[in-house]
Amino acid sequence: DQQVKQNSPSLSVQEGRISILNCDYTNSMFDYFLWYKKYPAEGPTFLISISSIKDKNEDGRFTVFLNKSAKHLSLHIVPSQPGDSAVYFCAANYGGSQGNLIFGKGTKLSVKP
Amino acid sequence: GAGVSQTPSNKVTEKGKYVELRCDPISGHTALYWYRQSLGQGPEFLIYFQGTGAADDSGLPNDRFFAVRPEGSVSTLKIQRTERGDSAVYLCASSSRGPGETQYFGPGTRLLVL
Repeated sequence: DQQVKQNSPSLSVQEGRISILNCDYTNSMFDYFLWYKKYPAEGPTFLISISSIKDKNEDGRFTVFLNKSAKHLSLHIVPSQPGDSAVYFCAANYGGSQGNLIFGKGTKLSVKP
Repeated sequence: GAGVSQTPSNKVTEKGKYVELRCDPISGHTALYWYRQSLGQGPEFLIYFQGTGAADDSGLPNDRFFAVRPEGSVSTLKIQRTERGDSAVYLCASSSRGPGETQYFGPGTRLLVL
């Protein structure tokens, strides 16, 4: 049973508009959430993270929102650029003795010029 | 470079053979992780090292898979008697301390078992 779900396998957005990527999780123990971007034939690149004590974190064009009651987070990219075209993975973990990240299946974002 | 490096970048082998995949983490990072990514899936956790010891190996699929990190830096993932289902991208990541820290990934090793 998937603990981190990205229900949209793909998303297409026009350059300059907002991209919204969504992620749902089932494990209420998760306390740290991350977004990674992946280009073909490369490893995932860290983009932005958020701790469960916050509901928003912003870094330039990228903002992550966390809704703990709904067990939902989203990544907003504004304005979207063609170079943002990649697969975006949502990941989560909880501290304690476990270090591993639990990943969603990813959403492929295409930003059209 | 200052990032995580992995060798080889690609590995083709025959069913039943033994393979070793190497990971060189970011200098000074004490935590090292191995993941496996199959086509159309997100990375799946295999094993996590804190220093030289395996702190969590619960993701290793079976006893054909083994990993070491003898000096607390470079790590080697070893797969015995490879099977076609082992074909995947094997990703290594490191973080400065451990749980709760951002993990930085290498480019991966693409393993193809024929």
